[in-house]
Formats: sequence, C-alpha cells, structure tokens
Amino acid sequence: AQKVTQAQTEISVVEKEDVTLDCVYETRDTTYYLFWYKQPPSGELVFLIRRNSFDEQNEISGRYSWNFQKSTSSFNFTITASQVVDSAVYFCALSEATKLTGGGNKLTFGTGTQLKVEL
Amino acid sequence: NAGVTQTPKFRILKIGQSMTLQCTQDMNHNYMYWYRQDPGMGLKLIYYSVGAGITDKGEVPNGYNVSRSTTEDFPLRLELAAPSQTSVYFCASSYIAGANEQYFGPGTRLTVT
Repeated sequence: AQKVTQAQTEISVVEKEDVTLDCVYETRDTTYYLFWYKQPPSGELVFLIRRNSFDEQNEISGRYSWNFQKSTSSFNFTITASQVVDSAVYFCALSEATKLTGGGNKLTFGTGTQLKVEL
Repeated sequence: NAGVTQTPKFRILKIGQSMTLQCTQDMNHNYMYWYRQDPGMGLKLIYYSVGAGITDKGEVPNGYNVSRSTTEDFPLRLELAAPSQTSVYFCASSYIAGANEQYFGPGTRLTVT
C-alpha cells in the first residue's frame, strides 16, 4: 500500500528565511508520480508540481525548488526567501501506476505541513 | 474556464437530514473525485468516476452515494447525516489516468449537529 509521511506538522519562519518541507513516501510500484499542493488560508487546493519516478532531476520554479531522491524515497520542497504569502498548508501526494478500476489515479495525501511565515 | 465549481460553500445539517453536494467541471475531464478533509489530516477519497455512468468506491464511502450522468457533473449525496460527516468536502477532476494532476474545487464546509 502506498503511504506519504510529512513529519513536520507546523513550521514557523521569519520572512526571507529559506525553509524545506519534507516528504517521505512508500510504494511498491516502480512507476509512480509525486505531487505537491498548496492550501492557503482561503481553503482551495492549488497544484504546484508533478514529478514521475523516472525523472530524478531537481526542479526550480522561481523561489520554489524540489529535490527528488529515490534512494531515500523523499521528495522535499524548498522555498527560498520565504514571504508572508507563502503561509499555507502544503500537501505532498503520491499516485501509483496501479490504477483505480477503469483508470484514474488514486492520490494518497500526506497529512500536510502548516507553514507560517512571519514578518 | 471556471474549472471545478462546488455548491454550496457552507452548510449546516441536522442529524438524519440528507443533502446533495454539487460539483461541475468545464474542462472536459473524464475523471472526477470526491474527497473529505478532516482537521489535521490529508484528504481521503470517498468516491470517484472514470466517466459518465461509471463510479466506484474510494477509501471512505460509507454514508455517501454518487452518480455521474454527464461528463461535467458529479454530485455527492449524503443520506441520514451523522456528526462524523462533519468535514470539508472537495471535488476534483483530471484529464487522464496516472500522471495527470487533479484540479480541485473550492470545497464545501459541512457541519452536522
């Protein structure tokens, strides 16, 4: 069975600090996909990134970067020079290639990390 | 495109009442999903659909029902509401299987008292 662990329940930083959110996953599949979603105080879920299991290249998008390491089953998310607007709950999620009946991907979510960025 | 829309945004139900949470997407996605989010937890899959007329249970289907008569709509029905169903409900959709990210609606906050 697939599992996602986000051990950090809450992180508080001061604006402009760098912060890394940890994500550790478990899966028996060799083909799988990893995701990060942001849930700001307004409540909606915003897709940030998708990574497949065959692509271990790190990715950078502005102040955001992701480090995928299959050897440690981790997919960590770093925010550089954090801002107050980054305050949100961040969810890591895993989708295995084993499909739901008839297709579709079952997303397994971690319990989320609440990030608070203060002035 | 409006994306995924959900109504209502908030609702308070009494124990034993029934209601339908509406979900519509305008992205022509085949796959649609219903999740619930409880405080401090991730999202749990309630039901999903891989196309019009095809639905199946997720992890926590008890107390809920769904139907999918069109590609766009995927309503979630609560029969005989219970306090344990107090939660935030999210509808999501995706284009095809596996690799595609899911797009989420704004959520419905439901309280059962």
